[in-house]
Amino acid sequence: GAVVSQHPSWVICKSGTSVKIECRSLDFQATTMFWYRQFPKQSLMLMATSNEGSKATYEQGVEKDKFLINHASLTLSTLTVTSAHPEDSSFYICSATREYSNQPQHFGDGTRLSIL
Amino acid sequence: QKEVEQDPGPLSVPEGAIVSLNCTYSNSAFQYFMWYRQYSRKGPELLMYTYSSGNKEDGRFTAQVDKSSKYISLFIRDSQPSDSATYLCAMSDYGQNFVFGPGTRLSVLP
Repeated sequence: GAVVSQHPSWVICKSGTSVKIECRSLDFQATTMFWYRQFPKQSLMLMATSNEGSKATYEQGVEKDKFLINHASLTLSTLTVTSAHPEDSSFYICSATREYSNQPQHFGDGTRLSIL
Repeated sequence: QKEVEQDPGPLSVPEGAIVSLNCTYSNSAFQYFMWYRQYSRKGPELLMYTYSSGNKEDGRFTAQVDKSSKYISLFIRDSQPSDSATYLCAMSDYGQNFVFGPGTRLSVLP
């Protein structure tokens, strides 16, 4: 159990467009979802934490108007990169924790975003 | 001092070797400890999840936690080329505060 699906796995788009990434917990209810960004050969950088039904909490330095997060249900969170530019190109990964406390994070397979 | 420190590697071992991966931390509030394996261009995969001090074994993997020393380890026995990946330690307190180590890149050579 504890499967997290992330879609799309790879997206290439032109500068200025907005891109939406979906993160779904397939076999459990996720009260909390996390969004990370990862550059090549570097560790995970937490961008924001979202709880179902409430606004996301963004880490310092992450523009909330640039990276819109919606956690509308216990199984779905979305990250929208608005007006994407080449510097937004990166590997974005979501994770989710089960509804009970003190649970580990389960990760999706990531989305490779390339902005031309 | 960083909250979680981990040997950066890269670490290269021959197939069949015993691998020891280690993390140290500074926050005594951490109670839950995790090890993840991440293949290139994939999300991290949970390998081990332990609570407080002690050992936990799962197949070829053994996780050790020593809270008195603020030190955790992951041992891989009979390492295989398919174990080549980046290994991340992670820990959390009773709330939602998760902290990840920077990762150790492991290469198991056939």
